Amino acid sequence: AQKITQTQPGMFVQEKEAVTLDCTYDTSDPSYGLFWYKQPSSGEMIFLIYQGSYDQQNATEGRYSLNFQKARKSANLVISASQLGDSAMYFCAMRFYDKVIFGPGTSLSVIP
Amino acid sequence: DAGVIQSPRHEVTEMGQEVTLRCKPISGHNSLFWYRQTMMRGLELLIYFNNNVPIDDSGMPEDRFSAKMPNASFSTLKIQPSEPRDSAVYFCASSLWVSAWGEQYFGPGTRLTVT
Repeated sequence: AQKITQTQPGMFVQEKEAVTLDCTYDTSDPSYGLFWYKQPSSGEMIFLIYQGSYDQQNATEGRYSLNFQKARKSANLVISASQLGDSAMYFCAMRFYDKVIFGPGTSLSVIP
Repeated sequence: DAGVIQSPRHEVTEMGQEVTLRCKPISGHNSLFWYRQTMMRGLELLIYFNNNVPIDDSGMPEDRFSAKMPNASFSTLKIQPSEPRDSAVYFCASSLWVSAWGEQYFGPGTRLTVT
């Protein structure tokens, strides 16, 4: 069965430090996309970064990078130089042709 | 672009009433998704359209829920009759389906409260 696990319900990080949010997944389908979304307390869902299952290089978008280890089935999000505005829920998601699955999320709090 | 537009933003209704949520996807996007988010169950995919055709509706909770996409620029999610356990935030999202994994852009959500 296809499943996403985010083992860190809540995390704290000092401002300006880097933080890694874990995401592991389970699928036997070779073709999929992996995504990270941010949901601040205001409630909107914001797309952050995407990695295709056949992509050889790890995706990067500004301060966000995705550490993709296909053999280990992990797609961790790395946020460099954390800012107070990074405090939010972060969701890992996996998309196939006919299905989208979201993980339970990790709550990140950035401490000044 | 205006982004994904949802209406209403908030809806309060009494149990047994019909509720209709509306969504306008981003122009040019050909995939549309309806999600429900609750504290207990997290973010759940209810139904997914591709080129106005439902691809996966296995997440629709029961027959009280129905969704339509009559054209590329409009979709509705209807609950009839509504129940208190339907209280949640309902998100609509759209994406451009070129391959199987286009990123989705979410609307602001509709917060539904059924009393």
